[in-house]
Formats: sequence, C-alpha cells, structure tokens
Amino acid sequence: DTGVSQDPRHKITKRGQNVTFRCDPISEHNRLYWYRQTLGQGPEFLTYFQNEAQLEKSRLLSDRFSAERPKGSFSTLEIQRTEQGDSAMYLCASSLVAQETQYFGPGTRLLVL
Amino acid sequence: KNQVEQSPQSLIILEGKNCTLQCNYTVSPFSNLRWYKQDTGRGPVSLTIMTFSENTKSNGRYTATLDADTKQSSLHITASQLSDSASYICVVSARGGSYIPTFGRGTSLIVHP
Repeated sequence: DTGVSQDPRHKITKRGQNVTFRCDPISEHNRLYWYRQTLGQGPEFLTYFQNEAQLEKSRLLSDRFSAERPKGSFSTLEIQRTEQGDSAMYLCASSLVAQETQYFGPGTRLLVL
Repeated sequence: KNQVEQSPQSLIILEGKNCTLQCNYTVSPFSNLRWYKQDTGRGPVSLTIMTFSENTKSNGRYTATLDADTKQSSLHITASQLSDSASYICVVSARGGSYIPTFGRGTSLIVHP
C-alpha cells in the first residue's frame, strides 16, 4: 500500500496519560500535515513539516502537544497529560509540494476517559 | 479572516436522485478549491481540484463548479448511490504564505434506498 498510513487506528487512554501517534506519508512527499477533527466538524490544522523542518504550528497546538519528523519521512505526534477535550480524530496528510493535493491517512481516533 | 462556509449542513436524499452542495469562501488571494469526500471513520479523499480559471470540472458522477467572482462553488452529484453517503468537505487554499488550506465543516449526505 503506497498511501498514507497511521498507527494506531484507535487509542483509548485515561486522563493524564501521554499518547504518541505515528504517521507514514507517501514516500516521495515533502510536506506532512497534522489535523484534528471532532464530530461534525471539518479538519482543523495543527502543524506541518517541510521535510524535517516544522514550519508552522496552530494556536490549537498547546505546549502539551509536540510533533517531530526527524528524518523527513515518518512523523510522530505526542500529547502529554491528555485531557478529555483532546478526544478527537487525528488526521495526517502529505503532499508532494505546497500547492498539491493533500492525501490523507485513515486517522487515529483518540478517546480520553 | 479566511473562512469556508458550506450548506446545507446535512442532506437526505433517495437513491438515484441528484443533489447539489454549496460552498462559499472568503479566502484571499485565491489559489485553488478542492472538494473532498470523507466516509465515516476514514480520512478525506480528494474528488476535484479547481483553479481560478476553471469553471467546471467533473469526476464521474461528481461535477464541481466555481465562480471566482462571487466566491462560490458547488458540487453536484448525479444519480446518487448508497455509497455516496459521506461527508463532503470544501477546502480552499490561498496564494502565497504557507499554503495552509482552510476547511469547511462539511455537508453530511445520507442516501436512502
């Protein structure tokens, strides 16, 4: 499968725990994006990478959130001290260049109890 | 502030009928507009992309229109099928800057047999 993959697909955690999600983009894509989507809403931008450089972060990305793309390939999104409000679908997307179509992964659905 | 508004919020139609979804945007300067289809629990999948000079673009039973003067787009679905049941998201990108797209909230379409 040459599409965008995300792992895990589902995560249930207790409030206060840390969680980490992984995204593997399409191999030749330079740009990688993270979004958060809650029920009935469109995806909300969190952050994006151009190769290994994190170029922009939304104000939605509090200091409990951190994202990395160490070798310009896969990326991780970590949420520390999770809160119930963090419950959402976390989507990863990649594109070849800035203005090209973004290809989305299947998402990681997080439930914080 | 860049915004994308979609209507209706939800729509129920009978199988075989046609429908039209609307998207109004205030993103400026305009670069392109995409329609995505998102099945429940899955990531969005691109249906069409339209640039400033394009008025109409088709992808099978999906036809998107763009009026850059009034900043409106529509997605027309012909001869709907049960598999068309999904959320349809309008996404608009601006020229220049970081090219972070603005997402609408989506229209939830349910096709009944």
